[in-house]
Amino acid sequence: AQSVTQLDSHVSVSEGTPVLLRCNYSSSYSPSLFWYVQHPNKGLQLLLKYTSAATLVKGINGFEAEFKKSETSFHLTKPSAHMSDAAEYFCVVWMDTGRRALTFGSGTRLQVQP
Amino acid sequence: NAGVTQTPKFQVLKTGQSMTLQCAQDMNHNSMYWYRQDPGMGLRLIYYSASEGTTDKGEVPNGYNVSRLNKREFSLRLESAAPSQTSVYFCASSRTDSYSNQPQHFGDGTRLSIL
Repeated sequence: AQSVTQLDSHVSVSEGTPVLLRCNYSSSYSPSLFWYVQHPNKGLQLLLKYTSAATLVKGINGFEAEFKKSETSFHLTKPSAHMSDAAEYFCVVWMDTGRRALTFGSGTRLQVQP
Repeated sequence: NAGVTQTPKFQVLKTGQSMTLQCAQDMNHNSMYWYRQDPGMGLRLIYYSASEGTTDKGEVPNGYNVSRLNKREFSLRLESAAPSQTSVYFCASSRTDSYSNQPQHFGDGTRLSIL
């Protein structure tokens, strides 16, 4: 069975400092991995996706994530946080197991302090 | 650039009432999905439609029915609402469900409260 674990439910950083949101997955197959962001009262927006090409994936708004197969991790980073980054972030895995659907992590709420 | 449009945005129901949540996409996508989002649980798939004319159960289908009315529209029906169905419901679409690199595009959600 596939699963995805977001290791922190809440992360708080100061504006201008680095962001690290952690995600681990378990899979018997080669997964595709995504990060989505959800701003208050909005739907989810795709930040970036990994699909077995380069292991370092660049996304929108300065975010990037690195796929590490040996650690089964796909952590999301940004060098310098902005106030507008405050939102909830979801790590998501997709595997072609017959039931073609996404599995979502439980989310990490990012707070950015001025 | 409408993308995925959900109606209504908010709804309050009494236990036992029925209602239909509407979803439409204008991206010519083949696949559509209904999720529910509950605190601390991420999103869970209720039903999906891989293509027009097909629907399949997801992780939490009990108490729900769906209709893929045409390529654009995918509705979710609660026949007899229960307080456990209080949640935020999201509709999503993707070009196809068959390829791993197809991202899903989400609507803004319907916030449903069952009293």
